[in-house]
Amino acid sequence: DVKVTQSSRYLVKRTGEKVFLECVQDMDHENMFWYRQDPGLGLRLIYFSYDVKMKEKGDIPEGYSVSREKKERFSLILESASTNQTSMYLCASSLIGKAAFFGQGTRLTVV
Amino acid sequence: GEDVEQSLFLSVREGDSSVINCTYTDSSSTYLYWYKQEPGAGLQLLTYIFSNMDMKQDQRLTVLLNKKDKHLSLRIADTQTGDSAIYFCAEMTTDSWGKLQFGAGTQVVVTP
Repeated sequence: DVKVTQSSRYLVKRTGEKVFLECVQDMDHENMFWYRQDPGLGLRLIYFSYDVKMKEKGDIPEGYSVSREKKERFSLILESASTNQTSMYLCASSLIGKAAFFGQGTRLTVV
Repeated sequence: GEDVEQSLFLSVREGDSSVINCTYTDSSSTYLYWYKQEPGAGLQLLTYIFSNMDMKQDQRLTVLLNKKDKHLSLRIADTQTGDSAIYFCAEMTTDSWGKLQFGAGTQVVVTP
């Protein structure tokens, strides 16, 4: 089975902190994604990567950056956390053109 | 741009069939997916349909695709309390590198 693991289930951070969300997949997938989930809005794509060191902006990249130094790991970085970034963050991976598999999610609260 | 729409809520009695509907706008969709999210969890892939198909059945799940109306539905037969969850439809288009465009999700509540 595909396994996508996010480093934390719950995080509480202070406004202005730099926050790292880590995601690891074990199926040698080329694509990795970071989504944000908010009630009534569904999932919105923040960034995705189709190869090591490659990244593309999604629909809502402002306030975020990403890093993909190794194929299995994709990190989401909040440079200076703000309260409007309180949300559920979901990482996913896929082979090119195939279904995405999701991690369990990280619920981030910025206070 | 792409837009995927779903109704937000569905209540169904245990043992009845559930039908969750979804509409999409991008005619270049290749695959359409249904995901299930239980409380506090990530998304679980339930089923998918290729855009040149009309129907796909997988045990209690039936997916119907009307390409002319860009309408997708998921029918769950003999709905159980364990089917209570949020259901997301998503489309993948040919030029999207495998990105998925999601609907807002339909909260399904199964009552005894």
